[in-house]
This record gives sequence, C-alpha cells and structure tokens, in this order.
Amino acid sequence: KNEVEQSPQNLTAQEGEFITINCSYSVGISALHWLQQHPGGGIVSLFMLSSGKKKHGRLIATINIQEKHSSLHITASHPRDSAVYICAVFPNTGNQFYFGTGTSLTVIP
Amino acid sequence: GAVVSQHPSRVICKSGTSVKIECRSLDFQATTMFWYRQFPKKSLMLMATSNEGSKATYEQGVEKDKFLINHASLTLSTLTVTSAHPEDSSFYICSGGQSTDTQYFGPGTRLTVL
Repeated sequence: KNEVEQSPQNLTAQEGEFITINCSYSVGISALHWLQQHPGGGIVSLFMLSSGKKKHGRLIATINIQEKHSSLHITASHPRDSAVYICAVFPNTGNQFYFGTGTSLTVIP
Repeated sequence: GAVVSQHPSRVICKSGTSVKIECRSLDFQATTMFWYRQFPKKSLMLMATSNEGSKATYEQGVEKDKFLINHASLTLSTLTVTSAHPEDSSFYICSGGQSTDTQYFGPGTRLTVL
C-alpha cells in the first residue's frame, strides 16, 4: 500500500501547454513537498505546502487538506521543464517522509 | 529559503573502497537529518535518521555497519558507504530542517561502484 499516489506516471506535452500533476495521499500530514529531479539525478525542492496555494514563476502548487490532494501546475511549459516531479508528504503522526514514485514529464519543442 | 548541500554530487569508486558523502545545512542548524536512497524507477526510501551528538536510527533492513552515519555538528551529517559493492550504486539524498516536518532536501549524490 502506497501512502502517496501520483498521476500520471508519465506525461508528454507540447511546448507551451498547461500541465497538471496530481498527488493523493492517505494520511494526515503536516507538510507536503514537491520536488523536481532532472536527468542525472539532482533534486530541487520546488515547494513546501501545508495549506492553500503557492506560486513561483510558472509553477503553481495547491493543496486541499480535507481531500488529501495536491496538484502541481506548470504554465507555458518549456523543454527545460522536462524532469521527474516527486510528491513527498510528512505525516503529522510520523517521523519520516513518504514519497510518490514520481511523474516523468517530457516537454517537446 | 533554507539550503541543504551535498558533496560530492557524483562519485565513482572501485569495489571494496569506502565513500563518504557529506550533507550540510548552510543557513540553519539541524539536530536531525535524514538519509534516503533512491532505487531505479522507485521512490525514495528512508535509510536512517541522523541525530546530532548521538547514534543514528536505522530503518529495518539497512546495515548500520555498512552505512556509517556521523552527525558531529548541527550543520553536518556524513554517510560513509563502507566496502562498497556494485549493488550499493544508487542515488543518495539527505534532508535537514529546523523541525522534522520543515525539511529541505539536498541535491543528492550519485554513487557508482565499479
């Protein structure tokens, strides 16, 4: 049983398209992170959320605590956005993160 | 935002040698840091919790004599892979924060054991 489920697993988009990646989780959480992992492995922390919505450049992250769901949106997608996006949650009764298996995004010029 | 660094970002070593990976918190003090390992096409898995000034807590199935963790200061935790074997080749990531739920992830270290 996975505490964190992401969808889709793979996503191919044309440059300029609006992209949504979803994350659902089954436990009560104190924080949710969206991470970006480029080919070659380096991890970049994009957002840390506990409620509401955050925006950074073309990236928007939202979370609905009641529905146990978060979305990561990319507006005006670009080939450099091609990466694996990982959702990670920290349960409010736990002591470690649980990670989704990631969404592999490819943006075609 | 807070920054966690890892060094090296990539390392290639021969089988049987030991490799040390550093995880540093650059602008905050972290009494607890976490070490994760990522298997191919799998999500990250917690290996151990590193506690400043005391012994690390290892997850089930992680050999503490093979993966030595030292958290000697509030800004530095190290993971040493001892007597590395090809099956230890993986991507290792640390996280740190001022509290366990406010964690910042390091960029990761790619280990390749030949």
